[in-house]
Amino acid sequence: EAGVAQSPRYKIIEKRQSVAFWCNPISGHATLYWYQQILGQGPKLLIQFQNNGVVDDSQLPKDRFSAERLKGVDSTLKIQPAKLEDSAVYLCASSLRFRTGETYEQYFGPGTRLTVT
Amino acid sequence: ILNVEQSPQSLHVQEGDSTNFTCSFPSSNFYALHWYRWETAKSPEALFVMTLNGDEKKKGRISATLNTKEGYSYLYIKGSQPEDSATYLCAPTRMNYGGSQGNLIFGKGTKLSVKP
Repeated sequence: EAGVAQSPRYKIIEKRQSVAFWCNPISGHATLYWYQQILGQGPKLLIQFQNNGVVDDSQLPKDRFSAERLKGVDSTLKIQPAKLEDSAVYLCASSLRFRTGETYEQYFGPGTRLTVT
Repeated sequence: ILNVEQSPQSLHVQEGDSTNFTCSFPSSNFYALHWYRWETAKSPEALFVMTLNGDEKKKGRISATLNTKEGYSYLYIKGSQPEDSATYLCAPTRMNYGGSQGNLIFGKGTKLSVKP
């Protein structure tokens, strides 16, 4: 089975520029997550989708970050304008479902390493 | 805020050594504990998902135990190999209102380097 795909793998931009990341989850996975992993920290959840609806975006800096999951499949995460502190690895993950009483594995993509100069 | 502590931060061992890491988390409203392995330039890979107090899981030379009452989990690697070099992340989840599982809250990880 194909894994979670992400692109690009690496991106270097200047501060105040915009950037977008793309994620294609595992086929059939209803739940999609975007994480931000800053060097020396654990991954932090930015946003969680169930199909094309947002379940949790409490840690998404909404003044500059946006994400969408059209048709409940692919997703894009955008930063506009970027700041130096946005330099991080952005991970996309998917899981089969998000249902009460069940525990699930999340499958991760390889991530996009963003450097803001 | 769920405070997840992993120790040690980094570990350097020789091939063949056995090693173990610790993950500590608040025990209140515990739901499940996930362990992931993240090799450089690759995707984080799920190792174990554990829910029951006293649970023990094994995958090859890697095993994990869980104590939900005191809020910790140990990950053991027996006879470390260079290919075990990676960052090992733990992520507990808490019980949400309504009985559903909350999101993963990752620790900072333990970076393991195994020298041939």
